[in-house]
Amino acid sequence: QVQLHESGPGLVKPSGTLSLTCIVSGDSIDNGAWWNWVRQSPGKGLEWIGEIYHSGTSHYNPSFKSRVTVSVDKSKNQFSLKLNSVTAADTAVYFCTRAFDPWGQGALVTVSS
Amino acid sequence: DVVMTQSPLSLPVTLGQPASISCRSSQSLVYRDGNTYLSWFHQRPGQSPRRLIYKVSKRDSGVPDRISGSGSGTDFTLRFSRVEADDVGIYYCMQGTSWPYTFGQGTRLEIK
Repeated sequence: QVQLHESGPGLVKPSGTLSLTCIVSGDSIDNGAWWNWVRQSPGKGLEWIGEIYHSGTSHYNPSFKSRVTVSVDKSKNQFSLKLNSVTAADTAVYFCTRAFDPWGQGALVTVSS
Repeated sequence: DVVMTQSPLSLPVTLGQPASISCRSSQSLVYRDGNTYLSWFHQRPGQSPRRLIYKVSKRDSGVPDRISGSGSGTDFTLRFSRVEADDVGIYYCMQGTSWPYTFGQGTRLEIK
């Protein structure tokens, strides 16, 4: 059974960098799937952030401009999200997912000083 | 970006009755490979989304056959032949045909 688990700081200062890691178990990250990040602001809907393939090929939502980077670490079977220059608007629950099935439980990240 | 528009946004339903949610896209979701990458998700409060349907009408494992997806091009529907208590929550459609992937606003299903 595939499981994904997000980990990282729950509090980030404004203008800082949000960093999250998604640890994958029950599947190999180089199995041919696209690995995605999605976020959900408090009380709001879902917003796609970006995706990565095990080769390192990635696609991002232009709404994040050049602030976002998704990377993969095959040796640790995990992939990561970095979002730079964060503001309060980046406060959200961040989900990782394997091709949108299944999803991790989500990690709440609050941007505040 | 492809805009996904769901209706209704709130869906009160009596237990055992049928229900449906509409999802319309601002452009065709048919990909160059001939597939249509339209998915449906269910999210309960405090939980992560769970995919129910992919490629318009294919059910994910464990999804009961009283829940079905249909549609083509820009017009899609999620149907419940009869609503059960376990169905409460928010339903989202999502297009995975063109970047950036986009979600509908969500439809809240509640029991009357």
